Amino acid sequence: DTEVTQTPKHLVMGMTNKKSLKCEQHMGHRAMYWYKQKAKKPPELMFVYSYEKLSINESVPSRFSPECPNSSLLNLHLHALQPEDSALYLCASSQELQMNQPQHFGDGTRLSIL
Amino acid sequence: SQKIEQNSEALNIQEGKTATLTCNYTNYSPAYLQWYRQDPGRGPVFLLLIRENEKEKRKERLKVTFDTTLKQSLFHITASQPADSATYLCALEELTGGGNKLTFGTGTQLKVEL
Repeated sequence: DTEVTQTPKHLVMGMTNKKSLKCEQHMGHRAMYWYKQKAKKPPELMFVYSYEKLSINESVPSRFSPECPNSSLLNLHLHALQPEDSALYLCASSQELQMNQPQHFGDGTRLSIL
Repeated sequence: SQKIEQNSEALNIQEGKTATLTCNYTNYSPAYLQWYRQDPGRGPVFLLLIRENEKEKRKERLKVTFDTTLKQSLFHITASQPADSATYLCALEELTGGGNKLTFGTGTQLKVEL
């Protein structure tokens, strides 16, 4: 079992739906990340939060909206997604947003857009 | 353009042999380099981290080297076992305006055969 928990594990949604992905960690980490991973490709960074504030947005389309309500929780709100957004969405955390910090990943939410 | 390439998509070796995986990068100046393992349907798991001024790092059967002149890292697994079969990802750590970020290489799928 990983120490970063993501729910749901699988999600199928239509292009007009609104849904949210959730991520939780109780390691006291203050940096949290969202990545997108397509099949047989490496994870690609989407967003980084440090101390509940957005630090990095990798020019992600506005149909993805991140939220960090507290130091343990990270959400990704989804609206009007496109079929090409189907992928594995990974959440990760690290102790701080600084160099020399390994990241701890959850097992992801596999998202399919119909 | 920036690139992080890992030697081959797939590497098959016999049990007991040493597996050597390569990570080459261009147009990056990473302060740190990290290696992760990813099993099918799971998130990446951190293995080792090496600083730019360290030549080598070891952990049990794992060894990483980092040559900033050649812009290359080598990852070795000695006395390989079938349980080592997985995809291995290198990741470069860079400091950006928003904080440090990890960029992953293309990955190498290792299969250790009996």
